[in-house]
Amino acid sequence: GAVVSQHPSRVICKSGTSVKIECRSLDFQATTMFWYRQFPKQSLMLMATSNEGSKATYEQGVEKDKFLINHASLTLSTLTVTSAHPEDSSFYICSARDGGTPSSRDTQYFGPGTRLTVL
Amino acid sequence: EDQVTQSPEALRLQEGESSSLNCSYTVSGLRGLFWYRQDPGKGPEFLFTLYSAGEEKEKERLKATLTKKESFLHITAPKPEDSATYLCAVQARGYGNKLVFGAGTILRVKS
Repeated sequence: GAVVSQHPSRVICKSGTSVKIECRSLDFQATTMFWYRQFPKQSLMLMATSNEGSKATYEQGVEKDKFLINHASLTLSTLTVTSAHPEDSSFYICSARDGGTPSSRDTQYFGPGTRLTVL
Repeated sequence: EDQVTQSPEALRLQEGESSSLNCSYTVSGLRGLFWYRQDPGKGPEFLFTLYSAGEEKEKERLKATLTKKESFLHITAPKPEDSATYLCAVQARGYGNKLVFGAGTILRVKS
């Protein structure tokens, strides 16, 4: 149980293009999903928190117009990196909170990550 | 500001050599402390959640403990497949479900 998928696993794009990353909770409903960024040999940095049906909450320093987040259903959230540049190259990881049971309500389950390379 | 510090940064063990990883934290009211395992190029895999001082949880060769200031992840008789980065994260009361992560401990177990 508590499986989260991400697609694509890897993407290479040209500078100036936009890239969409999907995050799905496969066997539970996720009222809240999170998007993280991880640079090589560094820990995870939270970018934004998204709640189903409402606007995402972005962390300080994260450009909301550059990193568009949509959480249209209880099982799907998307992150769109708009007008990507080489400095946006990173490992993007989503997580989902299983709000269904009291014993698991605080735990975030992570997807496998998406490696973005911007040329 | 909530902070998580993990030590050591890296740890090399021989197969069967037990040890402990440390996670020190400062948080404005702990809601939960989480341990994850991360393999290279993968997302973190959930291991344990601890909610209150004195709580302990076990899973195979791993045991997590919690005090008011730190948590330990004890690894008993590790195997090479236990090699990974172990991440600790805290969740504070009043901040929704936001997790603050430590930098992690890279564990290498040699056979």
